[in-house]
Amino acid sequence: EPEVTQTPSHQVTQMGQEVILRCVPISNHLYFYWYRQILGQKVEFLVSFYNNEISEKSEIFDDQFSVERPDGSNFTLKIRSTKLEDSAMYFCASSPLSGGRNEQFFGPGTRLTVL
Amino acid sequence: KNQVEQSPQSLIILEGKNCTLQCNYTVSPFSNLRWYKQDTGRGPVSLTIMTFSENTKSNGRYTATLDADTKQSSLHITASQLSDSASYICVVSAKTDSWGKLQFGAGTQVVVTP
Repeated sequence: EPEVTQTPSHQVTQMGQEVILRCVPISNHLYFYWYRQILGQKVEFLVSFYNNEISEKSEIFDDQFSVERPDGSNFTLKIRSTKLEDSAMYFCASSPLSGGRNEQFFGPGTRLTVL
Repeated sequence: KNQVEQSPQSLIILEGKNCTLQCNYTVSPFSNLRWYKQDTGRGPVSLTIMTFSENTKSNGRYTATLDADTKQSSLHITASQLSDSASYICVVSAKTDSWGKLQFGAGTQVVVTP
């Protein structure tokens, strides 16, 4: 069964460093998302992406964040200068459809630890 | 502000017993409500999706109900198994969030004991 994959599973970085989190969505899906979950808190929406551009982003997704689909398969989240509060689990999701009853399929997550 | 509230925060049940989890939401205008299961350290996995016109939806031993008038939903787990131990998250989508933005509840942590 097709699934969303994410790499790495765990990333440790120093404050101020750039990190790139990678995701491979399900191959025939058109809509892509990033969410984050700070330890012990709710999952929070970061950004949605369609047709090679951001379709919606939350207030969390500031100028330090960017997303890209560099080729036909990968979907990346870049944090330009990490802060301690960026430590969280980051989930990528993809969907064949948008809105309505679209079902989003989540990856296993990347645990980002900023020291 | 759009919110999704779940109760209880956690519960412990004996294997084979049933349990019901609650979700109240203020997300408006309502589009759909989903229940996800999230194992520790893993991504959420969809159990059910319900729109305004659907009152109940089952997926195996999981049955979700929706009352769009009172903005309440429940998830009933029948004959619980040890593998049901997980966080169960209520997730609501608004019609205005056409690009699939989901509003997550904090989840109910379920522990099934032998």
